[in-house]
Order: sequence, then C-alpha cells, then structure tokens
Amino acid sequence: TQLLEQSPQFLSIQEGENLTVYCNSSSVFSSLQWYRQEPGEGPVLLVTVVTGGEVKKLKRLTFQFGDARKDSSLHITAAQTGDTGLYLCAGGFNSASKIIFGSGTRLSIRP
Amino acid sequence: KAGVTQTPRYLIKTRGQQVTLSCSPISGHRSVSWYQQTPGQGLQFLFEYFSETQRNKGNFPGRFSGRQFSNSRSEMNVSTLELGDSALYLCASYRDRMNTGELFFGEGSRLTVL
Repeated sequence: TQLLEQSPQFLSIQEGENLTVYCNSSSVFSSLQWYRQEPGEGPVLLVTVVTGGEVKKLKRLTFQFGDARKDSSLHITAAQTGDTGLYLCAGGFNSASKIIFGSGTRLSIRP
Repeated sequence: KAGVTQTPRYLIKTRGQQVTLSCSPISGHRSVSWYQQTPGQGLQFLFEYFSETQRNKGNFPGRFSGRQFSNSRSEMNVSTLELGDSALYLCASYRDRMNTGELFFGEGSRLTVL
C-alpha cells in the first residue's frame, strides 16, 4: 500500500513565527504537489516539484523535494493569519495515472 | 478562464436514497477525477475519466459510479446511500494524465446523509 504521511496533523502558532510541515513516504514519486484547502473550498495547487533535491520558493513558502524523491517539506517564514488552512501533499507515479494524497496538516495562525 | 464547477454545492439525503453530482471541467481539460473527502480518511480517490472512458477506479463499492460525456462534463452517482457516505465530494480536472499535471479542483459538493 502506498502511503503519504504528513506531520504534524495539527499546528497552531502565533503570527510571525516560522514553521515546517513534512510529507513522507516509502515510495518514490515522479512528482509531488502541495495544495492548500480552506474551509468549504476545494484544494488549490501551490507548487509542483519533480527533481530530487529541488527547492522552490513562493513568497514566504519554501518547498523542498527530498533527494530520493520520497519526501518533501514546506517551510513558512513569518506566518500570517491568511496562511491558515489544510495543507495537503500529493504524490504522482509515472507508472500509472494515479495520485496519492496525504492526510493533511491543519494549520492555524493566531493573530 | 472559468474554473471547475460542481453542482449542487450542498445537499441532504436520507439513507437508501440515491444522489447524482455534476462536474464541469475547465475548458480544454479532457480528464476528470473524483475524490471523497472526510475528516477521518482524508482525500480518497474514486475514479478518473478521460474522453468518456474510465481510466482508473478507487476502492469504493459498486454503489459509486460515474460517467463522462462528450463535452468532458462528468457525473457521479451514489445509490442506496449510507450514513458513512456523508462527505465532501471533490472533482478535479486536468489536461492529460493525472500523475504528471496539475489538478484543478472545484469547490466540492457537500453531501449529508441522515
């Protein structure tokens, strides 16, 4: 069974703090995506990483794909209340038209 | 361009009834996939359609079915509803194969089964 584990499941921090959430698997992915989902909405794609060791930055968000393409991290610098939401990672496989989603990290930023 | 449109947004049904949910993909996207999202199980893959053909199916009972029309619009149906079918049903569209592209999700259809 292919699984994507995200940690932590829940995170509540003060505005202005930094945080990192993780996405880990025993499977090798051809690509990995991060999505953010707000209550009552569908997930919105933040980034796609495809190369082992790749680092992508989106304003205050930094995404890293592990060298072995089995794991990824999302680091947020100086969190803002607008960063609140459910962060989902998703891994794709070249061998099949298939994407697996992690269970998500629910992030709450307190003002 | 217009995003993925799902209807209805909210619906309430009782056990034993059936429900049909609709998804209109982004113009030019030929692939549609459906997911069930619940607090306990997260996002679970239901099925994927490309050019009116089901390409992949998740591990859901036969009560869950879907189809895609020639204009790429898709519907999913759940028959003989059970309490556990209460969930947010999400549709995603993309240009080609799921594993290589971006998924564009609709806002979902929230189903409550009483």
